[in-house]
Amino acid sequence: DAGVTQSPTHLIKTRGQQVTLRCSPISGHKSVSWYQQVLGQGPQFIFQYYEKEERGRGNFPDRFSARQFPNYSSELNVNALLLGDSALYLCASISTGTYNEQFFGPGTRLTVL
Amino acid sequence: GQQVMQIPQYQHVQEGEDFTTYCNSSTTLSNIQWYKQRPGGHPVFLIQLVKSGEVKKQKRLTFQFGEAKKNSSLHITATQTTDVGTYFCAGGGFKTIFGAGTRLFVKA
Repeated sequence: DAGVTQSPTHLIKTRGQQVTLRCSPISGHKSVSWYQQVLGQGPQFIFQYYEKEERGRGNFPDRFSARQFPNYSSELNVNALLLGDSALYLCASISTGTYNEQFFGPGTRLTVL
Repeated sequence: GQQVMQIPQYQHVQEGEDFTTYCNSSTTLSNIQWYKQRPGGHPVFLIQLVKSGEVKKQKRLTFQFGEAKKNSSLHITATQTTDVGTYFCAGGGFKTIFGAGTRLFVKA
């Protein structure tokens, strides 16, 4: 997980607002996944991107979108925030080796008031 | 849809006791990964198992993948206070599905 950076660390928003979260993967990794982790639960898969293309999408509404840039960094956007969007948002940098290990960043703690 | 279930939800042990968490999938998994998350931290990759019946050890930790590739376990021998945290199993390929985790409490 060393080398995966996420910003911001914490964020407070109000209902209806929009938020953008950022992630830089480990150097050399071309794939990132985004997860939502609600307190007391396991991470829930939102998106995976590989070489700037969406590779998979979890069971999240269209208010959630993401993209990956040529330098493999990624952004997660959430529109029309709801109270239930309050969670830790994790970015995972995925190795290109045989086993595709996921290395998580520290996360962004989003609070929606 | 595919589900990954973990038991127990919580486990309290005395330091030095052993600990085991179990993971079961509703479908066959191509691989299974295990993570540890300390309180207030983020998941940290521990290991990935790929082969049916595979057993891997990391010091006091032993990981097993079932013959049918639908279940897995993590066993910790002689727990230490540094083992405190939540242990997650995860599978399902690139749409990784995490279990709810087993939270381990270790009393010194």
